[in-house]
Amino acid sequence: NAGVTQTPKFRVLKTGQSMTLLCAQDMNHEYMYWYRQDPGMGLRLIHYSVGEGTTAKGEVPDGYNVSRLKKQNFLLGLESAAPSQTSVYFCASSYPLGTPSGEQFFGPGTRLTVL
Amino acid sequence: SQELEQSPQSLIVQEGKNLTINCTSSKTLYGLYWYKQKYGEGLIFLMMLQKGGEEKSHEKITAKLDEKKQQSSLHITASQPSHAGIYLCGAAHGSSNTGKLIFGQGTTLQVKP
Repeated sequence: NAGVTQTPKFRVLKTGQSMTLLCAQDMNHEYMYWYRQDPGMGLRLIHYSVGEGTTAKGEVPDGYNVSRLKKQNFLLGLESAAPSQTSVYFCASSYPLGTPSGEQFFGPGTRLTVL
Repeated sequence: SQELEQSPQSLIVQEGKNLTINCTSSKTLYGLYWYKQKYGEGLIFLMMLQKGGEEKSHEKITAKLDEKKQQSSLHITASQPSHAGIYLCGAAHGSSNTGKLIFGQGTTLQVKP
C-alpha cells in the first residue's frame, strides 16, 4: 500500500498562475482533507470531503476549489495564485471519526511558493 | 487555532530527561489525536484518546485525556534524539461524523545528545 500520495512535491508559481494539487489514497477511505501549514499556525483545514462527489469548506477555503470525482482522489485547485498562498499543503484521509481506525493518514506534503 | 492551544511552543531538553507537552481546548472534546512531524515530512499518528481519564502508551510516550479540563498531555520518558520533531494535537469538537479536526500550533522538541 502506498497510503496517501501527493503530486507534485514542490512547485513555484508566479502570481496569477493556476495549478492543481493531486492527492490519492489506496486505503478505501471515505473522508479526505486538504490542509495548509504555515509557521506558528499549525494545520488549518481548507476543504474536506465525506464521500465521492461531495465537498465542504473548512476554516480557510477562500482562493481554493476542490473536486472529488473518484473516491480515491481529492484535487485542490488554485485558480489565481497569490503570495499569501505560499505554504506547505497536506492531504489526509480517514475512516469516520470514532471508528477504531478513525485517525487521519497524511501525505508527505507539497511545498508551494508563489512569487 | 485559538480553539486549541499547545504549550510550550518549543522545548529543548537534554537526552534522558522527561518532558510534557500540553494541549488545551476551549470547546468540548469528542476526540483528541496526537501526531508527530519531522521537518519537511508528513504527520505520523501517535495516539487517539476519546474517553475522559483515558491514558495510552506507546514505547516511552504516554498521552492522557482530562475531559473535565478539556485538556490532554503528552509525556515522554527518558527522551532520545529520535523523539525530536514537531508534536501536534488535533481535536474533534463536533459530534457530527465529518472527521474534521482542529489542530494546535504545534510544539517543537529538540533533544540534545
